[in-house]
Amino acid sequence: DQQVKQNSPSLSVQEGRISILNCDYTNSMFDYFLWYKKYPAEGPTFLISISSIKDKNEDGRFTVFLNKSAKHLSLHIVPSQPGDSAVYFCAASARGSNYQLIWGAGTKLIIKP
Amino acid sequence: DGGITQSPKYLFRKEGQNVTLSCEQNLNHDAMYWYRQDPGQGLRLIYYSQIVNDFQKGDIAEGYSVSREKKESFPLTVTSAQKNPTAFYLCAISIDPGNNRYEQYFGPGTRLTVT
Repeated sequence: DQQVKQNSPSLSVQEGRISILNCDYTNSMFDYFLWYKKYPAEGPTFLISISSIKDKNEDGRFTVFLNKSAKHLSLHIVPSQPGDSAVYFCAASARGSNYQLIWGAGTKLIIKP
Repeated sequence: DGGITQSPKYLFRKEGQNVTLSCEQNLNHDAMYWYRQDPGQGLRLIYYSQIVNDFQKGDIAEGYSVSREKKESFPLTVTSAQKNPTAFYLCAISIDPGNNRYEQYFGPGTRLTVT
């Protein structure tokens, strides 16, 4: 049972346009959500997070939106740049879970010139 | 230079041999984690440790063992009992787990190939 789902294995976006990556979750106990970026053969890099008490968090070109009623979050990257081409993972954690993260399968983002 | 180090970057072993992957951190953080990543999948938790001399099994601990004798070090042994050991192994630390922040920071990873 996948508690965190990223249903799009890949996404292709034109340079300069908006990239929108989606993530759905099933566990209503999740209260903290994170996005990571990963290049091949490297460790994931933390991008941005959001607590369940918020519905939006912004950091530069990256914005995460959380819709708790739909159990859905999204990562917006504006404008998309060639260096954004990577695999993006969504992760979630629940209070009382010993801070364990539950990970989605990832979405490969390709930025076209 | 500091942070989380994993060595070696690439490791090759024959089937039936145990192999130990190194993870060292100089960030003075208590919590450390081991994950494996397989193609097309998310990260899966193998073991984690929140304090020296204590560790807990993650979702896929079978065929693996760990130790936490020092705060800085959390080595992972892939034993011959692990049926599919070929994977990319990632070590992570967690910052301020007591302050409702769950970010984990990762080392560069070790690619283990068993033939």
